Amino acid sequence: EAAVTQSPRNKVAVTGGKVTLSCNQTNNHNNMYWYRQDTGHGLRLIHYSYGAGSTEKGDIPDGYKASRPSQENFSLILELATPSQTSVYFCASGDWGTSQNTLYFGAGTRLSVL
Amino acid sequence: GDSVTQMQGQVTLSEDDFLFINCTYSTTWYPTLFWYVQYPGEGPQLLLKVTTANNKGISRGFEATYDKGTTSFHLQKASVQESDSAVYYCVLGDLLTGNTGKLIFGLGTTLQVQP
Repeated sequence: EAAVTQSPRNKVAVTGGKVTLSCNQTNNHNNMYWYRQDTGHGLRLIHYSYGAGSTEKGDIPDGYKASRPSQENFSLILELATPSQTSVYFCASGDWGTSQNTLYFGAGTRLSVL
Repeated sequence: GDSVTQMQGQVTLSEDDFLFINCTYSTTWYPTLFWYVQYPGEGPQLLLKVTTANNKGISRGFEATYDKGTTSFHLQKASVQESDSAVYYCVLGDLLTGNTGKLIFGLGTTLQVQP
C-alpha cells in the first residue's frame, strides 16, 4: 500500500516566523509534489521534485522553498510566514509516465499563520 | 493556459439517485483526465482515469468518459450511497509528452448524499 506521511498534521505559526512542513514516502517514487488547498481555488501546485537533490517551481512558488534531501523526504519551507499562507498543504508522490500514473497524497497539514 | 472548469460546486442527492458531474477542459496537450475523490480529513485519492477520448473508465461503480470534440469530461454513477459523500475533483494531466507529472485540478464538486 502506497504511503505518504506528512508532519505535523496541524501547525500554528506567527507572522514572520519560519515554518517547515515535512513529507515522507515509502513508495520509492521519483516524483514528489507540494500542493495547497484553499476554498475557491482547489489544489494548486507549489513545488515539485524529480528525485533527490532536485526541486522545481510549480504554479505558485512565491514565498516558498522546497528541499529534497533523499528519495523519501521532501520538505516545504516558509522562511517568513505570512497570514496569506494559512491553508491546508498536501504532499504527494508518484511515478509519472509509468503504467501507474497515479499521485498518492498524504493526509494534509493544516497551517494557520497568525 | 491549461485549465479545467467544474461548474457544479455542490450537489445534493438522496440515496439511490443518479449522479452526473461534468467538467470542461482546455489544453494543447494530449490529455489524460482523472477524477480524484477526497473524503473529509483525508488527501485526494484517485477514483479513475481515462487516457483516450470516448473510452470509458470504471471504478467502484463510477464511470467516466471524455469527449474531445466538446472538451468535456463527466463522472456518473447509477445509484449513489451515503458513503459516496465527498469532494470530487476533475483533473487534467499530460502523459504522452513526458511532462512533469503536474496535475491541474478543478475547483471540486461537493457531493452530499442524504439517507
